Amino acid sequence: NAGVTQTPKFQVLKTGQSMTLQCAQDMNHNSMYWYRQDPGMGLRLIYYSASEGTTDKGEVPNGYNVSRLNKREFSLRLESAAPSQTSVYFCASSRQGNSYEQYFGPGTRLTVT
Amino acid sequence: AQTVTQSQPEMSVQEAETVTLSCTYDTSESDYYLFWYKQPPSRQMILVIRQEAYKQQNATENRFSVNFQKAAKSFSLKISDSQLGDAAMYFCAYSTPGGSYIPTFGRGTSLIVHP
Repeated sequence: NAGVTQTPKFQVLKTGQSMTLQCAQDMNHNSMYWYRQDPGMGLRLIYYSASEGTTDKGEVPNGYNVSRLNKREFSLRLESAAPSQTSVYFCASSRQGNSYEQYFGPGTRLTVT
Repeated sequence: AQTVTQSQPEMSVQEAETVTLSCTYDTSESDYYLFWYKQPPSRQMILVIRQEAYKQQNATENRFSVNFQKAAKSFSLKISDSQLGDAAMYFCAYSTPGGSYIPTFGRGTSLIVHP
């Protein structure tokens, strides 16, 4: 059981380049999330998808887009990367509409130069 | 908006000793859930313990226990018999049905365990 997988694990981009971070879960969870983690800031929600076919903005959505491709997959796209988007990105999933814990992927360390 | 505050950026403990990490939160909700997550150097976040607000009994998971003070809006994590593998970043989190169960995270406490 792989849980939540993310690719890539590391990425270096130049300012203005685009890329897509991939996330997949095999736990049949309805809800999926993208967070960024910056030193001293905890986890901040970028976008989430409460169920297949829906997506909503989180706390820090600017500069990002998401796609809930199917129940398993939730991708995060940076259309024109900026140095301020240098961060560690985590994907997470959970069952819908209850207090259940979130399951996290291993993270992607992104550096934008 | 709900806020979660972890006032200790860093804590240290000797192996086999006990340490308590603090967390306070601000909410007007009566139905909510509190969590402690652990993030070791590998970056993989995992749930340590969960507390439902309607439960008066404090949650316990092996060496990990919480002190939930609902009136004071306090949710501290106690780690007994600390082990080297407990060294990690610990995040307190809060979620509520009114917020679609999307958790709000504190900024984390880095726990150092000395041999």
